[in-house]
Amino acid sequence: AQKITQTQPGMFVQEKEAVTLDCTYDTSDQSYGLFWYKQPSSGEMIFLIYQGSYDEQNATEGRYSLNFQKARKSANLVISASQLGDSAMYFCAMREDGEKLTFGTGTRLTIIP
Amino acid sequence: DSGVTQTPKHLITATGQRVTLRCSPRSGDLSVYWYQQSLDQGLQFLIQYYNGEERAKGNILERFSAQQFPDLHSELNLSSLELGDSALYFCASSDLGVPEKLFFGSGTQLSVL
Repeated sequence: AQKITQTQPGMFVQEKEAVTLDCTYDTSDQSYGLFWYKQPSSGEMIFLIYQGSYDEQNATEGRYSLNFQKARKSANLVISASQLGDSAMYFCAMREDGEKLTFGTGTRLTIIP
Repeated sequence: DSGVTQTPKHLITATGQRVTLRCSPRSGDLSVYWYQQSLDQGLQFLIQYYNGEERAKGNILERFSAQQFPDLHSELNLSSLELGDSALYFCASSDLGVPEKLFFGSGTQLSVL
């Protein structure tokens, strides 16, 4: 079974609108971490946001927030007031026991002017 | 700029050859991770080193090997290269105090012809 599932291969969003990128995960661990990374066309992986499984508050980093619903095992990324520079691949990832990350297949987000 | 340096940025070689990819982690980071990103497999964890010692192993082929040196830089050696080894290879490092946040280098694009 996939540990990280991103069901949206691609999304088109109008500039300045909010966008939600879906991510569901599968783990039996009690302690785990969830991440979102951005990969622009230049190729580098940019850390966006982190949520620990014991964190009670949803993580926020500027325009990024993580909608963490533990019972549903979902960790959706919300980008507010989207900008043209937000066009990129977005990867959800999970760290279980140990330190390696397992990545989803990604969502390609395109912001339309 | 993540602070993680990878060289070379691009590498073109032939089947059967051997190459070495180099990674310098962020100053002070003891953990180094190697990931492979290909179109069909997505982002796959290969191997992790911590302070010179192998810490975790993922989907790394026997033809591949890695090491971390006393100055903490790491090298990934790929031998008997096949067409299917063409991929983007990322190195990442993490802070001992904040192991959940991985900082990625810009990657080495390997093309095997």
